[in-house]
Amino acid sequence: DTGVSQDPRHKITKRGQNVTFRCDPISEHNRLYWYRQTLGQGPEFLTYFQNEAQLEKSRLLSDRFSAERPKGSFSTLEIQRTEQGDSAMYLCASREGQGRGYTFGSGTRLTVV
Amino acid sequence: KQEVTQIPAALSVPEGENLVLNCSFTDSAIYNLQWFRQDPGKGLTSLLLIQSSQREQTSGRLNASLDKSSGRSTLYIAASQPGDSATYLCAVDDQTGANNLFFGTGTRLTVIP
Repeated sequence: DTGVSQDPRHKITKRGQNVTFRCDPISEHNRLYWYRQTLGQGPEFLTYFQNEAQLEKSRLLSDRFSAERPKGSFSTLEIQRTEQGDSAMYLCASREGQGRGYTFGSGTRLTVV
Repeated sequence: KQEVTQIPAALSVPEGENLVLNCSFTDSAIYNLQWFRQDPGKGLTSLLLIQSSQREQTSGRLNASLDKSSGRSTLYIAASQPGDSATYLCAVDDQTGANNLFFGTGTRLTVIP
């Protein structure tokens, strides 16, 4: 069990550019989640996968955001045409099933300049 | 929608002191409650997970209690150390059908040597 891995740790991008983040969950965990956290706030839910199926999306996930988990293992989160308001920490988490605890990764810090 | 509140928002204590962090939630239909620690610019580290059927959980100097009927949880830290300085987040996994955690905004703890 190597934990949840996220890459990159930091990303600085110019407004209007596209960015993609990767998350590798714990291998036995079939549920994967993306959260966004801004300064001084708790994480907010973005989207949830069970295996390769994206089962829920938050209203926070505008049409510029897309997430995939093609083989039910790693996941990617892409933001198109980034805006300064997208600057935040993007956190990935996984867990074995309903009612089980969540394990979070170290996050990707996005700064849009 | 589940709302989670943490009090106080910030706390500063001298080393060695025992302290209590508070968390309240509005909907008592929960699977579990999880306490996390977050260091500046880092991801979330799980501290304790309390299932809805449990009253408390202990790990080392940490003890978390849960009173589901009143919508409250406390995190007790004994003999605080400077290394305990971090933000502590409370998160609720509820049964409303939303497959995600609801977070408070955290308590920022500073332990003064």
